[in-house]
Amino acid sequence: AQSVTQLDSHVSVSEGTPVLLRCNYSSSYSPSLFWYVQHPNKGLQLLLKYTSAATLVKGINGFEAEFKKSETSFHLTKPSAHMSDAAEYFCVVSHWNSNSGYALNFGKGTSLLVTP
Amino acid sequence: GAGVSQSPSNKVTEKGKDVELRCDPISGHTALYWYRQSLGQGLEFLIYFQGNSAPDKSGLPSDRFSAERTGGSVSTLTIQRTQQEDSAVYLCASSLYRGDEAFFGQGTRLTVV
Repeated sequence: AQSVTQLDSHVSVSEGTPVLLRCNYSSSYSPSLFWYVQHPNKGLQLLLKYTSAATLVKGINGFEAEFKKSETSFHLTKPSAHMSDAAEYFCVVSHWNSNSGYALNFGKGTSLLVTP
Repeated sequence: GAGVSQSPSNKVTEKGKDVELRCDPISGHTALYWYRQSLGQGLEFLIYFQGNSAPDKSGLPSDRFSAERTGGSVSTLTIQRTQQEDSAVYLCASSLYRGDEAFFGQGTRLTVV
């Protein structure tokens, strides 16, 4: 079975400090991986994606994520948090299902709080 | 269009009434998804359309829920005899093909009173 686990439901950081949002996945095949952000009362926006090219992926707004196959992880990081980063973040894996083809599996989300 | 468009943005309905939610995907995107997001919850997959293939309905929670996609473009999600537990934000997304990055609409917030 394919699944995504976001290890923290809530993360709180101070403005200007690093951000780490953790994501582990399980997949029998080489997956594609995504991070999405959702600001309050907004739709989901793609931050970055990994599709078997470079393992370190750079996204928008200074975020990046590293695909580590040995650890089955795809953690999201940012060197310095900004107040505007406060939002819900979703880790997503795209995997092949023999019954229905490709499918997107969403993690349960991590709520990022940034304090002044 | 420039992005995925959903309408209405907000809908309040009485318990037992039927509602229709509309999604206009990005032009040229063959894959279209519907998800439901309840308060404090993650995204729940509802249904998926890919071109002219039969839709993947495996996520629909009950037979009160149905969806169609006309001409491979606009999609309508219909909820019959709405219940209070149907209250949620319904999100539509489209992508060039299934498994690729999905582009989301702003969602429809449904409140059943």
